Amino acid sequence: RKEVEQDPGPFNVPEGATVAFNCTYSNSASQSFFWYRQDCRKEPKLLMSVYSSGNEDGRFTAQLNRASQYISLLIRDSKLSDSATYLCVVRVQGGKLIFGQGTELSVKP
Amino acid sequence: DAGVTQSPTHLIKTRGQQVTLRCSPKSGHDTVSWYQQALGQGPQFIFQYYEEEERQRGNFPDRFSGHQFPNYSSELNVNALLLGDSALYLCASSQGISNQPQHFGDGTRLSIL
Repeated sequence: RKEVEQDPGPFNVPEGATVAFNCTYSNSASQSFFWYRQDCRKEPKLLMSVYSSGNEDGRFTAQLNRASQYISLLIRDSKLSDSATYLCVVRVQGGKLIFGQGTELSVKP
Repeated sequence: DAGVTQSPTHLIKTRGQQVTLRCSPKSGHDTVSWYQQALGQGPQFIFQYYEEEERQRGNFPDRFSGHQFPNYSSELNVNALLLGDSALYLCASSQGISNQPQHFGDGTRLSIL
């Protein structure tokens, strides 16, 4: 079993759609949680951290359920520029990041 | 404020050769981590350097080694290259080894023929 597992993609959605990504992790000692965005052949960039209380940044909402070891990302009112691969990431003690395999999102006009 | 810089951007090698990749951390950062990202996969942690020592290591063979210099820059060395070593190699820097965010460089794309 992979340490971080994400929904298989790709997700193909029209502009304006709401899309949800799910992620589970196996290490109960994981300390921090993130969503990164990676454009084709580019480096991953931090999209947002994820907190147990849930957090929102504009059209993006992230949720964490430590009991279920589950992380989610909701994107509302999708834009063409949201097209990218979304990586679920957990950080374990010492700072090591563990990435999911990524879910590709394609937003169409 | 310079971000994380990596060199070279692209590299082509043949099986059995050796390669050295370089990384300069973001200004103010003292910790460097290296990741390997194969096509269609998420990045995999190779190792982390802090205070010129390897602090953590992922599940990579001894062919993968590294170094950190007093100015916090780092090198990743891979010996006896295999076809399967073809990947994007990413360097990330952060401040300390706690929970500070990691910032990634553009990566070095290594192709093994």
